[in-house]
Amino acid sequence: DTAVSQTPKYLVTQMGNDKSIKCEQNLGHDTMYWYKQDSKKFLKIMFSYNNKELIINETVPNRFSPKSPDKAHLNLHINSLELGDSAVYFCASSPGNNSPLHFGNGTRLTVT
Amino acid sequence: KQEVTQIPAALSVPEGENLVLNCSFTDSAIYNLQWFRQDPGKGLTSLLLIQSSQREQTSGRLNASLDKSSGRSTLYIAASQPGDSATYLCAVYFGNEKLTFGTGTRLTIIP
Repeated sequence: DTAVSQTPKYLVTQMGNDKSIKCEQNLGHDTMYWYKQDSKKFLKIMFSYNNKELIINETVPNRFSPKSPDKAHLNLHINSLELGDSAVYFCASSPGNNSPLHFGNGTRLTVT
Repeated sequence: KQEVTQIPAALSVPEGENLVLNCSFTDSAIYNLQWFRQDPGKGLTSLLLIQSSQREQTSGRLNASLDKSSGRSTLYIAASQPGDSATYLCAVYFGNEKLTFGTGTRLTIIP
């Protein structure tokens, strides 16, 4: 069983479009995250939610809006996509700060 | 500024050799440090987590050490195998609710 699953795996879209990436975890974790990995493989946190509440919002353009309908789901909606949004987006979850993170397999977003 | 650095960016080692991957961080006030591996096109897999009060953690052929005073951690891999080829990432919780990642070391084990 996949612990942290995100869909789609690949997403190719044109500039200006709006798209969503979904994430679900079946580990019972309270905290979920979105990370962005750029072309140089650098991973940077975007958002963190704990029990459906926003904990971290890291200087991310407001075109990015996370939504957590329940603590097992954290979706990422992106409006007005730009070329610079092309990256791999990873969802992750953990029971808390002092526990290992569990990552999804990533969504490779390509904006043309 | 809290930063995590991994050098070298890439490393090639013949199969069977022991090797050490390095991680350095700028602030000694950390909660924990985690080592991950990332396979191409895949997510990250957590390998070891060292709490700030610990000096090392072991799992199988992997041993991670932590020296907070010098801002360093090492990941030791014994008897390397081709299946160990991956990118290894170090990440530090500086206590600000954020896990800060290094840029990784791409390891290639040569059969």
